[in-house]
Amino acid sequence: SQQGEEDPQALSIQEGENATMNCSYKTSINNLQWYRQNSGRGLVHLILIRSNEREKHSGRLRVTLDTSKKSSSLLITASRAADTASYFCATDRGSTLGRLYFGRGTQLTVWP
Amino acid sequence: GAVVSQHPSRVICKSGTSVKIECRSLDFQATTMFWYRQFPKKSLMLMATSNEGSKATYEQGVEKDKFLINHASLTLSTLTVTSAHPEDSSFYICSASPGEGRETQYFGPGTRLLVL
Repeated sequence: SQQGEEDPQALSIQEGENATMNCSYKTSINNLQWYRQNSGRGLVHLILIRSNEREKHSGRLRVTLDTSKKSSSLLITASRAADTASYFCATDRGSTLGRLYFGRGTQLTVWP
Repeated sequence: GAVVSQHPSRVICKSGTSVKIECRSLDFQATTMFWYRQFPKKSLMLMATSNEGSKATYEQGVEKDKFLINHASLTLSTLTVTSAHPEDSSFYICSASPGEGRETQYFGPGTRLLVL
């Protein structure tokens, strides 16, 4: 079974607004990653946050991690139409072998 | 940045035939590659870990005789869907990691397989 559960499954906002997506997982982890996928394409790595980190920033992206609640959030600020994509979280389930287990994803639509 | 390619990008085949999908790391060596499949509007499901020079490690529930994986070199892994059936139709994505830590993976663009 898949590791993460994202919510919402779909999110529709206007350009300029912030988009927040959440992810929950069930096992211990070494790190949690967020990926983006445009329709029918491969995945693009956005950000990695380690289990001993609580927050990380990259440009307009802000990721938080709460290991006590086994949850993470991805915030995209000042969204753009080009941010329209599916966003997935993935964890390693505590393994160091590189395997990733993905959540169901959030389909984000940003309207111009 | 590191580039991973897949070939073909899409393939249509008749039921019962075998289909080979290639995954190449173009500008780095990857001792480990990973294969995923994705159904429409669904998440990626890890199928197997491809190890250069040794047998692949399959996730629970994935038939190793159905999905043959060969990691022929440090830059090439192949996935062969044997005796494909319509239920094998899916989007297959590979990834490769350039580093020892394997934390960062680079994903290929995916291969869309349609079995008639």
